[in-house]
Amino acid sequence: GAGVSQSPSNKVTEKGKDVELRCDPISGHTALYWYRQSLGQGLEFLIYFQGNSAPDKSGLPSDRFSAERTGGSVSTLTIQRTQQEDSAVYLCASSPQLAEQFFGPGTRLTVL
Amino acid sequence: QQQVKQSPQSLIVQKGGISIINCAYENTAFDYFPWYQQFPGKGPALLIAIRPDVSEKKEGRFTISFNKSAKQFSLHIMDSQPGDSATYFCAAKASNFGNEKLTFGTGTRLTIIP
Repeated sequence: GAGVSQSPSNKVTEKGKDVELRCDPISGHTALYWYRQSLGQGLEFLIYFQGNSAPDKSGLPSDRFSAERTGGSVSTLTIQRTQQEDSAVYLCASSPQLAEQFFGPGTRLTVL
Repeated sequence: QQQVKQSPQSLIVQKGGISIINCAYENTAFDYFPWYQQFPGKGPALLIAIRPDVSEKKEGRFTISFNKSAKQFSLHIMDSQPGDSATYFCAAKASNFGNEKLTFGTGTRLTIIP
């Protein structure tokens, strides 16, 4: 079956612009996660959605970052007023509850 | 604060040799320790995982060794093959209060040479 998909695969933007990154999780997966992977670094947790519960936003680095998950399926990560330090690969993962996380291919964001 | 420390940063192993990657953690609440394999341009994929009630888990050529008292765990790849060349991440999770977020190490770039 289809895995986790993310779009766009690459995004180049200018400093100060807003960007939206999209994640389509595996159908039926109740949990959805966003991580950020910077060059030479591991994956950094950003936000976690589980069913209808309030999301865990503890990993969001600043109030310029926000995410929503509509209808318990598709999620959008929004970065406002992008900065050069936001350049990274943004990875989305989904999982059935209390089970393995399946990752998408990521969106490579470059802020000029 | 880096809660999972991974070493080495890069590793070169000859084909047929044993690749060993080490991780150490600080949070004693961690109760699930997966290893992920990532190829360029792809997302990480789960390779093997262990819970602290066992000291070793083997799946094919891949083995996790776990030392609870030392708060360390390692990945061993036996008979390493060129197709194993990838970046490997250890991770840990504390499944309390239903929080499923993973804390990752910084990754090891493994190169298997013929």
